Amino acid sequence: NAGVMQNPRHLVRRRGQEARLRCSPMKGHSHVYWYRQLPEEGLKFMVYLQKENIIDESGMPKERFSAEFPKEGPSILRIQQVVRGDSAAYFCASSSRTSSSTTDTQYFGPGTRLTVL
Amino acid sequence: RKEVEQDPGPFNVPEGATVAFNCTYSNSASQSFFWYRQDCRKEPKLLMSVYSSGNEDGRFTAQLNRASQYISLLIRDSKLSDSATYLCVVNIGSSGGSNYKLTFGKGTLLTVNP
Repeated sequence: NAGVMQNPRHLVRRRGQEARLRCSPMKGHSHVYWYRQLPEEGLKFMVYLQKENIIDESGMPKERFSAEFPKEGPSILRIQQVVRGDSAAYFCASSSRTSSSTTDTQYFGPGTRLTVL
Repeated sequence: RKEVEQDPGPFNVPEGATVAFNCTYSNSASQSFFWYRQDCRKEPKLLMSVYSSGNEDGRFTAQLNRASQYISLLIRDSKLSDSATYLCVVNIGSSGGSNYKLTFGKGTLLTVNP
């Protein structure tokens, strides 16, 4: 039973390029969360998605960042026109979340380490 | 005030030592509490949930004091493999049901020495 998969594990981009980060949730999980960990900082919530729906993107920067979770395929976090400050570890988590009134355990993927030159 | 604050550390202890980590949170409406561990350049992994009555899992004991908005983790008989960063995590929750947004502390680095 594979865990949360993320790819690539490491991504290097030059300023102004686009970065695409992929996340495949655990089997049976339909809820995906993206977090960002800046150097020497704690993880910060970015966005929560269900299949074909963005539920909460309150942690996403207003510009250049977008996320999707299509009916088929992995969730994608897209960063356009990257800047050096985007360099961070981006973690995806998934949960089964069968009830809106309970907190399901979030299982984290290995992360994508983005370096912007 | 930060939403979740932890001992800055680092902690360096010998094998077999007992070590305690403290954490405070600012939002009194917080609903769920956890300790995660994160190994260097790896993903966070759930260590244990924290319940109001306190709970224990082997060498690990977690306590929650809602009145003081304080969470603790005690590790007894520490092992070399306990070396990691320990993250205090709080789920703020809300009346709208957004009880999925985990808020992480910056973590406390523990190194257990032989």
